[in-house]
Amino acid sequence: AQTVTQSQPEMSVQEAETVTLSCTYDTSESDYYLFWYKQPPSRQMILVIRQEAYKQQNATENRFSVNFQKAAKSFSLKISDSQLGDAAMYFCAYRSARGVNDMRFGAGTRLTVKP
Amino acid sequence: EAQVTQNPRYLITVTGKKLTVTCSQNMNHEYMSWYRQDPGLGLRQIYYSMNVEVTDKGDVPEGYKVSRKEKRNFPLILESPSPNQTSLYFCASTPYVFPGANVLTFGAGSRLTVL
Repeated sequence: AQTVTQSQPEMSVQEAETVTLSCTYDTSESDYYLFWYKQPPSRQMILVIRQEAYKQQNATENRFSVNFQKAAKSFSLKISDSQLGDAAMYFCAYRSARGVNDMRFGAGTRLTVKP
Repeated sequence: EAQVTQNPRYLITVTGKKLTVTCSQNMNHEYMSWYRQDPGLGLRQIYYSMNVEVTDKGDVPEGYKVSRKEKRNFPLILESPSPNQTSLYFCASTPYVFPGANVLTFGAGSRLTVL
């Protein structure tokens, strides 16, 4: 079964600075999707960004971008110009392209933003 | 507003007292799923449903039941709750379009404590 590893249980960043959250995954498949979800104190799960494995170009969404290294099975999230509202738990997730039900989540990284 | 609604948001109960957590979505999604979130473990799938009357076990189904009698509803039933079921529970849904980077829409979460 596929596994997703987030090796940083906690990270902190100074407001306006840049931070990178790490995620690695294990799979034997070639076609899949990767996601980053944000969970603020409200507990709501919010999609931050997604990446299709067949796309070589890294996905970006405003201040959020990913570094997708398919060969290394790495999918890191970069947050630029960090804001206080970025403080949250961040989950990396993998889903096979074989079907909708094969979603795996990492253990999460808690991000603190210091003013 | 398109959403997934879970109730109750918070519940404290005692061991053995049957309870049901309701989940309803208004987006006509075929696929629905239940997850539990525990510290250091991320989100793990309990049960999922591809459509009405079609349900199957996820990774941690022990102690839980589900039903899908209507497309919009997918209740999670704990017949005899135990303290190890104390957790944060999420319901999620997505249209079943294969293949595709279908994004899960999550409910707001239900915090369950079993004493």
